[in-house]
Amino acid sequence: AQSVTQLGSHVSVSEGALVLLRCNYSSSVPPYLFWYVQYPNQGLQLLLKYTSAATLVKGINGFEAEFKKSETSFHLTKPSAHMSDAAEYFCAVSESGYSTLTFGKGTMLLVSP
Amino acid sequence: DAGVTQSPTHLIKTRGQQVTLRCSPISGHKSVSWYQQVLGQGPQFIFQYYEKEERGRGNFPDRFSARQFPNYSSELNVNALLLGDSALYLCASSLNSQTNEKLFFGSGTQLSVL
Repeated sequence: AQSVTQLGSHVSVSEGALVLLRCNYSSSVPPYLFWYVQYPNQGLQLLLKYTSAATLVKGINGFEAEFKKSETSFHLTKPSAHMSDAAEYFCAVSESGYSTLTFGKGTMLLVSP
Repeated sequence: DAGVTQSPTHLIKTRGQQVTLRCSPISGHKSVSWYQQVLGQGPQFIFQYYEKEERGRGNFPDRFSARQFPNYSSELNVNALLLGDSALYLCASSLNSQTNEKLFFGSGTQLSVL
């Protein structure tokens, strides 16, 4: 069975500071991993995805994530936070033949001026 | 081009009632998935349909059912509503049903059960 654990329900950073959102996964087969962002009253938007092509994945809005098999991690980073990055972020895993995702509980990113 | 559209945006029902939620995928997308997002939790997979056939089902009771129409739109039905069914119901569409296929999510239907 697959699962995702996101450490920290809330993360607070100052504008311009490094953003680090943590995600650890459990999967019995090589996983596909995703990061989604959800703004208030909106659906989910894909930030980036890992599909075994490269361990460092670059996404939209300056975000990137690194797949580390030895640590079963897929942490999301951004060098410099912007106020517009304030949102909830979800890590997700898929290992089946179809596009069914198992999501973590989410991390709310708060950005202060 | 229009994105994934869901209707209604908000819905209030009472316990024991039945509800139908609707989803129109992006034009050309043949796969529709449904997710339930309870407040404070991540979305949980309910169903996936591809070419009008059920391709996957999550761990939900039989009170939950869905179908996909020839135009690829979809309906999610929930019978005998419980207070715990209160949640944001998200629909997502994709071109096909492959594992790494990008999902496009709608803004959801907020269901409140009183």
